[in-house]
Amino acid sequence: GAVVSQHPSWVICKSGTSVKIECRSLDFQATTMFWYRQFPKQSLMLMATSNEGSKATYEQGVEKDKFLINHASLTLSTLTVTSAHPEDSSFYICSARGTHSNQPQHFGDGTRLSIL
Amino acid sequence: DAKTTQPPSMDCAEGRAANLPCNHSTISGNEYVYWYRQIHSQGPQYIIHGLKNNETNEMASLIITEDRKSSTLILPHATLRDTAVYYCIVRVLNQAGTALIFGKGTTLSVSS
Repeated sequence: GAVVSQHPSWVICKSGTSVKIECRSLDFQATTMFWYRQFPKQSLMLMATSNEGSKATYEQGVEKDKFLINHASLTLSTLTVTSAHPEDSSFYICSARGTHSNQPQHFGDGTRLSIL
Repeated sequence: DAKTTQPPSMDCAEGRAANLPCNHSTISGNEYVYWYRQIHSQGPQYIIHGLKNNETNEMASLIITEDRKSSTLILPHATLRDTAVYYCIVRVLNQAGTALIFGKGTTLSVSS
């Protein structure tokens, strides 16, 4: 149980394009979803927190107009990297937590984004 | 959330127990200890969590000291597939709206 699916797992695109990453909780309802970014040889860095039906809360230094987050349902959140540039190349990981207080936070397998 | 301190790296022989320590001396009474691991190029995997009692599941055991200022994650029979970065995180159980914050973790290398 507690499976979080992330899609796509790998994407390569040209500079200036927008990329959408999907995060789904497959067998539980996710009240809260989180988006992280990880650069090579570094730890995960929290980008934003989103609650279903509400606007996302972004961490300091993360541009909300560049990283658009939508959490329209209890099983789906999307991250759109708008007008992507090479410096946005990174490993993006989503995470979800269910409605029950005894459930831990579960993670997707990440999306490796490469901007040429 | 309380800060944790972990050794940057550890080695373990295949088949032996891997004991990964974590210091959390500023932990407060309602904060839980969580352990996750990240295998290269994958998302973090939940291992176990606990408050003050020792916990065991199919993956590992968690031993928390009586004063709760430190804990040890035990992988009883390490395999090559256990090579990963292990993160110890303390936080209030599912505090509404708050995410897990990751430190640098311990890189465990299991060798044959």
